[in-house]
Amino acid sequence: GENVEQHPSTLSVQEGDSAVIKCTYSDSASNYFPWYKQELGKGPQLIIDIRSNVGEKKDQRIAVTLNKTAKHFSLHITETQPEDSAVYFCAARDTGFQKLVFGTGTRLLVSP
Amino acid sequence: KAGVTQTPRYLIKTRGQQVTLSCSPISGHRSVSWYQQTPGQGLQFLFEYFSETQRNKGNFPGRFSGRQFSNSRSEMNVSTLELGDSALYLCASSSGLGQDIQYFGAGTRLSVL
Repeated sequence: GENVEQHPSTLSVQEGDSAVIKCTYSDSASNYFPWYKQELGKGPQLIIDIRSNVGEKKDQRIAVTLNKTAKHFSLHITETQPEDSAVYFCAARDTGFQKLVFGTGTRLLVSP
Repeated sequence: KAGVTQTPRYLIKTRGQQVTLSCSPISGHRSVSWYQQTPGQGLQFLFEYFSETQRNKGNFPGRFSGRQFSNSRSEMNVSTLELGDSALYLCASSSGLGQDIQYFGAGTRLSVL
């Protein structure tokens, strides 16, 4: 089955800096890669996703890139703000069982 | 449009008891998935229901079970609770089976003493 690794586990940046979180996956047939943001006391919220037929997708300050050959995808947040502080999870859809397999999460702290 | 609703938000149980958690998906959504979230194991898939049938199951013991009703609402049950079952249980809904985008509820925090 699918296996997803995520790095780093924690990331501290200054407000206005960029943040990059990286994930690798094992199943070359996986075709859907969402990113979720989880704030304290809340469930994960989908912030951006990408499918295997595109290499990059942007939504304002957030972008995701996908390298199918290397089997890795990354989340890029530009001009970070304190409200970006949260735990971020990447995931890949297991094509065999059609379920989402999540990375272990990255705790992002944006300091003013 | 209301989001995914999970009840109760918090539960405290003792070892050996059983517990039932409830999830109401987004209106019109027919697929419900359940996940267990712990600091050590992260987000682990439990099972997925669609049209009142379990379509997919993760690697959890038989003490974990679920069901889905005709209105797409779902419940999950854990019997003979163990200390290690303490976790945040998350429900996610999607519009149909195999549909990619999943929307999560706020979860039920279960503490087993």
